[in-house]
Amino acid sequence: RKEVEQDPGPFNVPEGATVAFNCTYSNSASQSFFWYRQDCRKEPKLLMSVYSSGNEDGRFTAQLNRASQYISLLIRDSKLSDSATYLCVVNMIGGSQGNLIFGKGTKLSVKP
Amino acid sequence: GAGVSQSPSNKVTEKGKDVELRCDPISGHTALYWYRQSLGQGLEFLIYFQGNSAPDKSGLPSDRFSAERTGGSVSTLTIQRTQQEDSAVYLCASSNRGITYEQYFGPGTRLTVT
Repeated sequence: RKEVEQDPGPFNVPEGATVAFNCTYSNSASQSFFWYRQDCRKEPKLLMSVYSSGNEDGRFTAQLNRASQYISLLIRDSKLSDSATYLCVVNMIGGSQGNLIFGKGTKLSVKP
Repeated sequence: GAGVSQSPSNKVTEKGKDVELRCDPISGHTALYWYRQSLGQGLEFLIYFQGNSAPDKSGLPSDRFSAERTGGSVSTLTIQRTQQEDSAVYLCASSNRGITYEQYFGPGTRLTVT
């Protein structure tokens, strides 16, 4: 099982749609979880951290399911500007790579 | 405050030449990471520095790649005898490795080996 796995997409949705991405991770001892956003030909930027109780930031909601070892990102009322690749990031206790493992990303395309 | 900066933003070099890429992390951040990203691909971890500890070099693809971090701040990634497959965007990130491990990325250096 890959350490961090995401559906690569692309997810093609109309403006105003609700879209959800899932990400699974293999290390049950992982403690920190993040979603990053990467625009085409740009660097990744932190979108939000994911807390155990779930957290919301405007149209974005992140949830963590420790039992099933997955995290999710829900985007409501999609905007054209939400088009990007969304990276799931998990810390790896005791691992190398600086303890952070990046998924390969899920591509979202929001159409008018 | 100032974010992570990298230089040069673009570098075109001939096969076989050496290149140096520079990263200036956010002031006070103790952890520094180098990644590379080929077109349409995910992030590939290269090397990680944390404070004064020995760097984690487990991601370096060959002995042509090396990196150093002077004074716990600026880092230089060196690629010797560049090959065409080294063409990629090289990204640097830093973090204040405490509770959250959040990383902040620089804009990257786009390396093209001709």
